[in-house]
Amino acid sequence: GAVVSQHPSWVICKSGTSVKIECRSLDFQATTMFWYRQFPKQSLMLMATSNEGSKATYEQGVEKDKFLINHASLTLSTLTVTSAHPEDSSFYICSAIRGRGYSNQPQHFGDGTRLSIL
Amino acid sequence: DAKTTQPNSMESNEEEPVHLPCNHSTISGTDYIHWYRQLPSQGPEYVIHGLTSNVNNRMASLAIAEDRKSSTLILHRATLRDAAVYYCILSPRDGSSNTGKLIFGQGTTLQVKP
Repeated sequence: GAVVSQHPSWVICKSGTSVKIECRSLDFQATTMFWYRQFPKQSLMLMATSNEGSKATYEQGVEKDKFLINHASLTLSTLTVTSAHPEDSSFYICSAIRGRGYSNQPQHFGDGTRLSIL
Repeated sequence: DAKTTQPNSMESNEEEPVHLPCNHSTISGTDYIHWYRQLPSQGPEYVIHGLTSNVNNRMASLAIAEDRKSSTLILHRATLRDAAVYYCILSPRDGSSNTGKLIFGQGTTLQVKP
């Protein structure tokens, strides 16, 4: 149980393109989902918290107009990288919490999306 | 955010126990201690978490010091598939906007030798 699916797993696109990444909780409802970014040989960096039915909360330094997050249902959150540039190339990972987003619940992670902007 | 300190890397032999330490001297009373691991090119995988008492599950054991300022993840018999980066993370439960968030540090890279 507790499977989180990300799609696509890998994408290459031209500079200036907008790219949408989907994160789905397959066997549970997730009121809260999180989006992370990871550069090579670095740790995960939390970008934003996605709450179903409300606006996402972005971490300091993350441009909300650049990284659009939509959490329209209890099983789906999307991250859109708008007008992507080479510096946006990274490994993007989502996670979901079963039920409410309390710290006594484990986070279940997707397998990540490797984004390469040419 | 409360921070954790872990060794950068550790080595283990296959089929031997592994003890991965984590220091969190500034932990607050409402912080949960979470452990995750990440294999190359994959998302992190939940391992175990606890608050005050030691915890066991099918993957590992978590030993929490009495003062909660440190903890140890125990893999009872390491296999080659356990080679990964292990992250010890404090997750606040203080009712603030940080509740449930995981702030990843650099973790410990575990190498398992056959």
